[in-house]
Amino acid sequence: EIVLTQSPGTLSLSPGERATLSCRASHSVSNNYLGWYQQKPGQAPRLFIFGASNRVTGVPDRFSGSGSGTDFTLTISRLEPEDSAVYYCQQYGSAPYTFGQGTKLEIK
Amino acid sequence: EVELVESGGGLVQPGGSLRLSCAASGFTFSSYWMSWVRQAPGKGLEWVANIKEDGSEKYYVDSVKGRFTISRDNAKNSLYLQMNSLRADDTAVYYCVHRWDHWGQGTLVTVSS
Repeated sequence: EIVLTQSPGTLSLSPGERATLSCRASHSVSNNYLGWYQQKPGQAPRLFIFGASNRVTGVPDRFSGSGSGTDFTLTISRLEPEDSAVYYCQQYGSAPYTFGQGTKLEIK
Repeated sequence: EVELVESGGGLVQPGGSLRLSCAASGFTFSSYWMSWVRQAPGKGLEWVANIKEDGSEKYYVDSVKGRFTISRDNAKNSLYLQMNSLRADDTAVYYCVHRWDHWGQGTLVTVSS
C-alpha cells in the first residue's frame, strides 16, 4: 500500500499570497497517477488536478500541480477567499487507491 | 451531464447489513470502472472498492474484505455496495465515484446501537 503524507496540516495565508501544498508518497506512484481534490464543508470532493499536473476543465489556472515519483506539489498562486477548503492528494496508480490526510487551507 | 445519486444509507446496529445503491446517468455506464469512497465524520477520504466495466474484476480496501461486496447492473445503470457485519468504524458518508472527476452527493451510514 502506498502511504501519502501531506504537509502542512494547516496553512493560513492572506488573499493574493501563494500556497504550496506537499504530498509525499511512500513508494513511487505508478504513471504519476496522482490527483488533487478540493473539499468544502458539506460538499463532495472535487477533482482539480489529475496525472500530477493536468488541470480539470473549469479549474482556474491559479491552480497548478507538479512533481513525479514520490514528491508532488499543488501550488495556488494569488489566493482568493473561495480557495479556503481542505485539499487531498490521491494516488490511483495501484490499489488500494490511497488518499493523503489532507491540508486545511485557511484564507485570513 | 453526469449525475450520480446514492441511496440506501441509514442507521444500523453493529453486526447488521445495509445495501447502498448508486443511480448513474449522463454517460455510458457500462464502459467505465466505478468506485465507492467513504469519509468518516470529520475525517479524511478512504477508497473502499471498485469494479470493472463488466463486473469481472473487483478490488477492496483490506478493512472491508470479506464483509462488503461491490456489484453493478449495467442494464439499470446502477452500482451497489452490500455491506455486512457492519462495525462502528464503518460509519461514514459513502460516495459513488465515476472516473475520479464525478462524485455523488453521498449517503450517510451510521453504525450504532
